[in-house]
Amino acid sequence: AQSVAQPEDQVNVAEGNPLTVKCTYSVSGNPYLFWYVQYPNRGLQFLLKYITGDNLVKGSYGFEAEFNKSQTSFHLKKPSALVSDSALYFCAVSGFSGGYNKLIFGAGTRLAVHP
Amino acid sequence: KAGVTQTPRYLIKTRGQQVTLSCSPISGHRSVSWYQQTPGQGLQFLFEYFSETQRNKGNFPGRFSGRQFSNSRSEMNVSTLELGDSALYLCASSPSGQGLGNEQFFGPGTRLTVL
Repeated sequence: AQSVAQPEDQVNVAEGNPLTVKCTYSVSGNPYLFWYVQYPNRGLQFLLKYITGDNLVKGSYGFEAEFNKSQTSFHLKKPSALVSDSALYFCAVSGFSGGYNKLIFGAGTRLAVHP
Repeated sequence: KAGVTQTPRYLIKTRGQQVTLSCSPISGHRSVSWYQQTPGQGLQFLFEYFSETQRNKGNFPGRFSGRQFSNSRSEMNVSTLELGDSALYLCASSPSGQGLGNEQFFGPGTRLTVL
């Protein structure tokens, strides 16, 4: 069965420090991986995706993610965190069994950036 | 382009009633997906419509149904509401049903409370 795991419920980081939000996946076939962010009382906003090619993907708001096939991971990173980055982050996977527009989400990780 | 819009934004119903939620995708997008978000179950895929046809369906009871119109607008219906149906219902659109790994663009959601 396809699944996505976000092992941390919450990540705390000081403003200006680098941040990492972890994600591992389990799918059959080639994975299409996504990161979304959700601010309070809002829908999800797309940050970045990995389809194929370069393992380091750059996205919106200075975020990037590294695809690691051997470790089946797709961690989200940012070199310098901002207080405004505080939000709920979701990793997701699609592209299996014909369900290309069906996203399987992780449980989410709450990122708290402290001044 | 205008984003994905969902109406209403908030809804309060009582058990046993039925409800219809509406979603207007981004202009030109033909695929519309629906997700349910709850604190306990996280984000779960309900169904996806493309060109007025349901292509994928998640593991939800038959009380949950949907449809898509020729202008790509979509509605979802929940009949015989239960307390557990209280959730944020998110609609997402994407440009093409045939594209691999297309990111989905989410609306702000409809917050449904069942009393």
